[in-house]
Amino acid sequence: KQEVTQIPAALSVPEGENLVLNCSFTDSAIYNLQWFRQDPGKGLTSLLLIQSSQREQTSGRLNASLDKSSGRSTLYIAASQPGDSATYLCAEGGSYIPTFGRGTSLIVHP
Amino acid sequence: GAVVSQHPSRVICKSGTSVKIECRSLDFQATTMFWYRQFPKKSLMLMATSNEGSKATYEQGVEKDKFLINHASLTLSTLTVTSAHPEDSSFYICSARDLMVRGQETQYFGPGTRLLVL
Repeated sequence: KQEVTQIPAALSVPEGENLVLNCSFTDSAIYNLQWFRQDPGKGLTSLLLIQSSQREQTSGRLNASLDKSSGRSTLYIAASQPGDSATYLCAEGGSYIPTFGRGTSLIVHP
Repeated sequence: GAVVSQHPSRVICKSGTSVKIECRSLDFQATTMFWYRQFPKKSLMLMATSNEGSKATYEQGVEKDKFLINHASLTLSTLTVTSAHPEDSSFYICSARDLMVRGQETQYFGPGTRLLVL
């Protein structure tokens, strides 16, 4: 059974810092890897989707990488802003059922 | 891009009543939809897999008589929380698979429904 782990569970950084969020998975035979943002009391907003055949995806200040052999994905946020404060979830698409990590709660303070 | 909607976004009900939550895929057909529940500061937990035209598959520990799922069409799945109790208060999220390209199935998630049972 696929297990997805996110480290760190919480992160607090000053505005402007570049930061990396980590996501690891136990079964390397993944379908795709997706990163989401969740604001308090809100649903999921899809940030980036990496198919199993891809190694990275970029959107603005966000860059997500995928290394299937090591079972890892990272989300890189450049020049963080207070508006980036949220919980970031990664999910492994799986061959059938997606599996979520517990998320990293990010606070970017001015 | 593909969009999944949920209705209602927020519902407050009295204990003992039933609540229906709708999940719709707006511009694609979804033979399979998933229902998740999220507890505070916890990850999303898969409750059940909803298959169009057949019975839902429930995860271990999820009461099928408590959480009724109906997937009557390729664009609509409903989750009914029957005889809701305060412990059913949670955030419920659905997702749908887009099967446009074989082998490249993509999951799209709804915005979630916040249920509060008084």
